[in-house]
Amino acid sequence: GENVEQHPSTLSVQEGDSAVIKCTYSDSASNYFPWYKQELGKRPQLIIDIRSNVGEKKDQRIAVTLNKTAKHFSLHITETQPEDSAVYFCAASIAGNQFYFGTGTSLTVIP
Amino acid sequence: GAVVSQHPSRVICKSGTSVKIECRSLDFQATTMFWYRQFPKQSLMLMATSNEGSKATYEQGVEKDKFLINHASLTLSTLTVTSAHPEDSSFYICSAARGYTGELFFGEGSRLTVL
Repeated sequence: GENVEQHPSTLSVQEGDSAVIKCTYSDSASNYFPWYKQELGKRPQLIIDIRSNVGEKKDQRIAVTLNKTAKHFSLHITETQPEDSAVYFCAASIAGNQFYFGTGTSLTVIP
Repeated sequence: GAVVSQHPSRVICKSGTSVKIECRSLDFQATTMFWYRQFPKQSLMLMATSNEGSKATYEQGVEKDKFLINHASLTLSTLTVTSAHPEDSSFYICSAARGYTGELFFGEGSRLTVL
């Protein structure tokens, strides 16, 4: 099956700085790449996603980039705020048939 | 957004008993549901893909006879942990894919503790 790797596993940034999380995937057939935010004890929530026909997508302070050739995609959070602190997971999917998750990144935004 | 409900949120059982966890998509039909297991501070490990009306597809290393999955309708999938043992204690999360977008929505999760 698909293998998704995610880095870094932990990330601390000062409030207002940017945070970048990177993921790589192995299956070139994967065509849907969502990012989820999971707060402690809660369910993962979709924050942004990108499909393979798009190279970049932005939603306010959050952006995702995709490089299909290199099989990697990244999450960018700008102007970080303390409420951005959570665990973030990337995932790769083939047409929504199966979803494989990265190992997660614990983001801490220091006020 | 779409709503997926999972029940129970917490369950404590004795070793050797079976536990059933339900996952419902409340406002859309989910032809495919997924079951994940999550250990503390770790990622979501895909256990199986549940397709309505057919047998579930299990990931390598997941015991089919221990983790029984039934997807009897377009809105309900169940995971039964049979003859549970302490090592089965974990956080189990279901998710459902909304067909026309492929977006994934998660249940609240079920924390299983086997004594």
